[in-house]
Amino acid sequence: EAGVTQSPTHLIKTRGQQATLRCSPISGHTSVYWYQQALGLGLQFLLWYDEGEERNRGNFPPRFSGRQFPNYSSELNVNALELEDSALYLCASRPSGTQNSPLHFGNGTRLTVT
Amino acid sequence: GNSVTQMEGPVTLSEEAFLTINCTYTATGYPSLFWYVQYPGEGLQLLLKATKADDKGSNKGFEATYRKETTSFHLEKGSVQVSDSAVYFCALQGFGNEKLTFGTGTRLTIIP
Repeated sequence: EAGVTQSPTHLIKTRGQQATLRCSPISGHTSVYWYQQALGLGLQFLLWYDEGEERNRGNFPPRFSGRQFPNYSSELNVNALELEDSALYLCASRPSGTQNSPLHFGNGTRLTVT
Repeated sequence: GNSVTQMEGPVTLSEEAFLTINCTYTATGYPSLFWYVQYPGEGLQLLLKATKADDKGSNKGFEATYRKETTSFHLEKGSVQVSDSAVYFCALQGFGNEKLTFGTGTRLTIIP
C-alpha cells in the first residue's frame, strides 16, 4: 500500500510570495491533517479536512489556507510568506471517524523562505 | 485546552543503556495517548499507543503505561541500540476531538 505522499520535497520562496504544498493520502483515507514543524517548536496543528470539508483549524493566521479535493488529496496554501514560515510541513491521513486509529504521516515538504 | 509536556532533549546514551523519556499531559476526560518516532529525513511513525488508563503500549522493545493518577505516559526501553537514534514525540487525542496534540519532541542519540 502506498503511503502518504507529499510534494514538493523542498520548496524555496522569497518573502511575500505564495507557496502551495500538496498531499495525497493513503487510498481509502478521507481525513487529512496538516502540521507545521518549525525548529524547536514541535508539531503545531494547522488544518484538518474530512470528506472535503474543513473540520478544524489551528491557531494560525488566515494566510494559511487549504482545501481537499474530491479524490481526498489536499493542498496547503501559504500567502504573503514570512521568514518565520520556514519549516517542515507534514501531512497525515487516516480513515474518517476512526478516532483512535493512528495518523499516517508523509515525509513532509521543507519550505524555506528567504 | 489539551497539552503535552515532554522531557527536553537532546538525550545521549550509550548502546545497551536504559532509556526513559518523560511525558505528562493535561486534558479533560479520557484522552488516547501515543508515542511517535521520527527518523532522520522521514515523517513520523506511530511507535505505540494506549487508549485507556493502565493500558500498556509496546513495540520494538519500547513500552509506555497510561497512568491517569499521575497524568503520565513515560516511554521506556531496557537496552537501546544505535538504530533507536531519532526524535520521539508524545501526543494525545482528546475524546471526541480528532486532532492530535504533540509535545515538542525529544532528540535521542545512541552512541556505540
